Amino acid sequence: LAKTTQPISMDSYEGQEVNITCSHNNIATNDYITWYQQFPSQGPRFIIQGYKTKVTNEVASLFIPADRKSSTLSLPRVSLSDTAVYYCLVGSILTGGGNKLTFGTGTQLKVEL
Amino acid sequence: DSGVTQTPKHLITATGQRVTLRCSPRSGDLSVYWYQQSLDQGLQFLIQYYNGEERAKGNILERFSAQQFPDLHSELNLSSLELGDSALYFCASSSRDSIATNEKLFFGSGTQLSVL
Repeated sequence: LAKTTQPISMDSYEGQEVNITCSHNNIATNDYITWYQQFPSQGPRFIIQGYKTKVTNEVASLFIPADRKSSTLSLPRVSLSDTAVYYCLVGSILTGGGNKLTFGTGTQLKVEL
Repeated sequence: DSGVTQTPKHLITATGQRVTLRCSPRSGDLSVYWYQQSLDQGLQFLIQYYNGEERAKGNILERFSAQQFPDLHSELNLSSLELGDSALYFCASSSRDSIATNEKLFFGSGTQLSVL
């Protein structure tokens, strides 16, 4: 299983760009990297997913270096409503099928005025 | 709205009791995942079903069991409840089969279980 390591918490101010890095040293060849956002008492919500290089959508960008041992979620111009826990998730294929999609500890992002 | 429905939203029960949590996946999704989230343990993967069959098992206790029915809804049964079972239980569904690693999970709003 590809284990992930993220900072426990980060603080930022409104309007700033926030970069959250996730380490996944033993990522497998077929694994994708997916980021989720979770607000208190709600289920996690898909943000972005990538395999290599850079992916961008209307919410965020995901940067993945060539060795794929880490990834960086970039949130442009954060607002108070971006205060949440962000999870980096690396998929695992088990022998015979099935995904044991394991979440790491997540990064608590706090955005202030 | 993710399209995943979980009932009930809240459940209060006593130690030793048994409860059933229900999940209806998004229309067309064949995979259902169950997760447990407590304050000190984070988001723990419990079990995955795909089209009625168990596909992956995580840190699920023997007191817990799950199944996925022909209409694809799933139930998580928790028995001989202990205080430590108090947590948020999430169900998630996915449109892809269980082989792909680029699955995108859609989570329900969870069931808050309180064991007193």
